[in-house]
Amino acid sequence: GAVVSQHPSRVICKSGTSVKIECRSLDFQATTMFWYRQFPKQSLMLMATSNEGSKATYEQGVEKDKFLINHASLTLSTLTVTSAHPEDSSFYICSAWLVNEKLFFGSGTQLSVL
Amino acid sequence: KQEVTQIPAALSVPEGENLVLNCSFTDSAIYNLQWFRQDPGKGLTSLLLIQSSQREQTSGRLNASLDKSSGRSTLYIAASQPGDSATYLCAVNTGNQFYFGTGTSLTVIP
Repeated sequence: GAVVSQHPSRVICKSGTSVKIECRSLDFQATTMFWYRQFPKQSLMLMATSNEGSKATYEQGVEKDKFLINHASLTLSTLTVTSAHPEDSSFYICSAWLVNEKLFFGSGTQLSVL
Repeated sequence: KQEVTQIPAALSVPEGENLVLNCSFTDSAIYNLQWFRQDPGKGLTSLLLIQSSQREQTSGRLNASLDKSSGRSTLYIAASQPGDSATYLCAVNTGNQFYFGTGTSLTVIP
């Protein structure tokens, strides 16, 4: 099956720093990539939808200046958490989608902001 | 707006039992439905994808059914094993958006 690579798997940073998370579709070109946030024992919360070459569409309540999404190519999307604070600590997951095909997920990134 | 519900929220069964997980959705205008499993601290692994025109899909010990008109899907797991312990989520695709259920946490007791 298709593989989506997400890095890093775990990151610990100081408050006020920025963190970049990469999501790559390794063996297919994704039409769309999604970014999610997940709190313990809860389902996925969609943060934004990203299409290659265009601006990401953010869900209501998600600060676009805080969570910068860049989708530079059909195989790479990045999420940058700017000026991270402890409340940004969470599990972030990306997924890649090819129209009419399955949705494939990365392995997730556990962000801890001290 | 599409709403996806999964019942039960948690399930514990002895090893070897067959079990059924349920997923219901409010709007039958879907393109497909996908079942995933998630292990703690990990991403989601795709199990089965059912297109809106299909009634069921099978993969090994897993069988997923879809009744679009009634807004229901089930995931049947035969002869459960401790390795099946995980959270199972269903996701409904309405075209360019995916709506996720709240998940069922499954524990298979050896």
